[in-house]
Amino acid sequence: EIVLTQSPGTLSLSPGERATLSCRASQSVSTIYLAWYQQKPGQAPRLLIYGASSRATGIPDRFSGSGSGTDFTLTISRLEPEDFAVYYCQQYGSSPFTFGPGTKVDIK
Amino acid sequence: QVQLQESGPGLVKPSGTLSLTCAVSGDSISGSNWWNWVRQPPGKGLEWIGEIYTETTNYNPSLKSRVTISLDKSKNQFSLNLRSVTAADSAVYYCARRLSCISGTCYFDSWGQGTLVTVSS
Repeated sequence: EIVLTQSPGTLSLSPGERATLSCRASQSVSTIYLAWYQQKPGQAPRLLIYGASSRATGIPDRFSGSGSGTDFTLTISRLEPEDFAVYYCQQYGSSPFTFGPGTKVDIK
Repeated sequence: QVQLQESGPGLVKPSGTLSLTCAVSGDSISGSNWWNWVRQPPGKGLEWIGEIYTETTNYNPSLKSRVTISLDKSKNQFSLNLRSVTAADSAVYYCARRLSCISGTCYFDSWGQGTLVTVSS
């Protein structure tokens, strides 16, 4: 099983600031099988990024993904008030599909 | 646009069977995509349960001995059965579509809103 680790656990930032979230895998993940989700309280996860760097339909360009191998990054260039949420990475290339524990981005 | 909607009992007794259904609109479950279940205990992270494509299933080994996922093509819906439940199985259960792997587009693109299931006597 591929274990995903996310850091930091919590990121406290102000609107307008840049957020950099990390996802590290216990073994190499093909870039085409790495996704990022945003989740707000009481809501289902919302796909942001698939294939490590491709934005899903309707996702603003302030969200970007990068990385390869075992290290991946989600960057939010300028935080908007609606971006404060929990973010999960997921690998879907090797069964069982696994999620990271999440990074909470909250308002400083 | 595909839509998924979970339904089922919100309360299940310990040692009983948790049964949920996901109704799909906007896509055929008989097509080329995979149909998944994911759960999230209150205040915790996401756990993939398993998936089905036509008659092929793929389960998380941690739950495999207790899980069955099946299709009802006549109703365009798929179901989850989880046997011998305990309080640790209390969670929000989501159904989700995973696109077929043609051109590498294997990702989970659509999710239901989720349904909370509590295991308690």
